[in-house]
Amino acid sequence: DIVMTQSPSSLAVSAGETVTINCKSSQSLFGSVRQKNYLAWYQQKPGQSPKLLIYLASTRESGVPDRFIGSGSGTDFTLTISSVQAEDLANYYCQQYYDTPWTFGGGTKLELK
Amino acid sequence: EVQLVESGGGLVQPGRSLKLSCAASGFTFSNYYMAWVRQAPTKGLEWVASITNSGGSTYYRDSVKGRFTISRDNAKSTLYLQMDSLRSEDTATYYCTRGFPPGDYWGQGVMVTVSS
Repeated sequence: DIVMTQSPSSLAVSAGETVTINCKSSQSLFGSVRQKNYLAWYQQKPGQSPKLLIYLASTRESGVPDRFIGSGSGTDFTLTISSVQAEDLANYYCQQYYDTPWTFGGGTKLELK
Repeated sequence: EVQLVESGGGLVQPGRSLKLSCAASGFTFSNYYMAWVRQAPTKGLEWVASITNSGGSTYYRDSVKGRFTISRDNAKSTLYLQMDSLRSEDTATYYCTRGFPPGDYWGQGVMVTVSS
């Protein structure tokens, strides 16, 4: 199974700051046929279901604010949230879909100071 | 508007069965792969099972293989998860999700508690 490791597990920031969440996979998620990285990011607010933010490592889902930026390739990926807002308080998960079983990172809890 | 509404959860004893349903609306159900993803209390997300748009192929995580069965009725726009021989470690909120992976729409989730 591909193991997804997120860091940090929690993060406290002030509104307006830029935050970076890291995700590392135990093997490359780069598919040579489509030349894409099969990595997604989800946001889950307290008491809600997950919401897709980013897919193919860097493609923003429709309607997602452009302050959410996905980057990285191979085994190392990053979700950057610029100018964090109070509404961004949530847990964030990375997920690989290069191979079954599809696996998620352990999550990063974003808290506001 | 895309909607996914799960039902069928509840409290069940270890070893017993439960069947979850996910009623879909607002899109052409038969065009999409579907999946079930679960989340144990205060834990992270875990993929459980997936099914192709026609229902011709299914995929499971090892820990549920042989106990859970994912299926769909495209005429009814409904996804199912038959869960047999339930264990305490199956206790979780179960979400149905469209297109997974990645899942672009998720239901609100249904709680399954396995306990004597």
